[in-house]
Amino acid sequence: EIVLTQSPATLSLSPGERATLSCRASQSVSSYLAWYQQKPGQAPRLLIYDASNRATGIPARFSGSGSGTDFTLTISSLEPEDFAVYYCQQRSKWPGFTFGGGTKVEI
Amino acid sequence: QLQLQESGPGLVKPSETLSLTCTVSGGSINSNTYYWGWIRQPPGKGLEWIGSVYYSGSTFYNPSLKSRVTISVDTSKNQFSLRLGSVTAADTAVYYCARHPILVPDFDYWGQGTLVTVSS
Repeated sequence: EIVLTQSPATLSLSPGERATLSCRASQSVSSYLAWYQQKPGQAPRLLIYDASNRATGIPARFSGSGSGTDFTLTISSLEPEDFAVYYCQQRSKWPGFTFGGGTKVEI
Repeated sequence: QLQLQESGPGLVKPSETLSLTCTVSGGSINSNTYYWGWIRQPPGKGLEWIGSVYYSGSTFYNPSLKSRVTISVDTSKNQFSLRLGSVTAADTAVYYCARHPILVPDFDYWGQGTLVTVSS
C-alpha cells in the first residue's frame, strides 16, 4: 500500500500569508495526486487533481506542484475562508485510493 | 446541480451489519462516465476509501475491508448502497458517498456525510 505523509501536521499563519503544504508518497505515484479542503462539519472539496490542475471553481490562489513522491499545495495569500484541513490523495494504483493524514491550517 | 444524500441508521450494534444508501439527484447514476464511491472518516481522524461501484455493477474494494464490504447499485432508483458486516467500535465514522469520473477518478462531488456509531 502506498502511504502518504503530510507535513506539517499544523500550520499557524495569518490572513494574507503564503501557505506551503507538503505531501510525500512512500513510492512514486507519478502525477496521480489530488488535494482536498475540509472545513468542520463539511465534506471534503476537491481543489487540485493530477498534481497541478485546479478543479472547477477553485480560486487561482490555490496551486499544486510535484511529481513522483514529493508534492506541494501552495495557497498564495490566505483568505479567512481558507483556514481548514487539507488532505492529499493518490490514485496511482487504481482501483484504489489512499489519503494522507491531513494538515490543519489555523490562524 | 448534482446532489448526493446518504441515509441509514445512525446506530448499529457490534457484530451486526451497517447499511447505508446514497441517493443521487440532479444527474443519472446510469452513466458510463462515472464511478460512485464510499469514503469514511472516524471522528477527529483522516479519510479512508471503502470502495466504489460502476453503473454496470462492477465493484472495487479497499483490500483492508474487502472481506466485510458489499457495494451495489440500483439504477432504477438512482441509488447505490453500502453494506459493512461484523462491525466493531472501530467502524464508528462519518460515512460519505461521492462521485468520481472515470477519466480523472478523483472525488468531485460528495454527500454531506452521515455519522454511524457502533455501540450496544
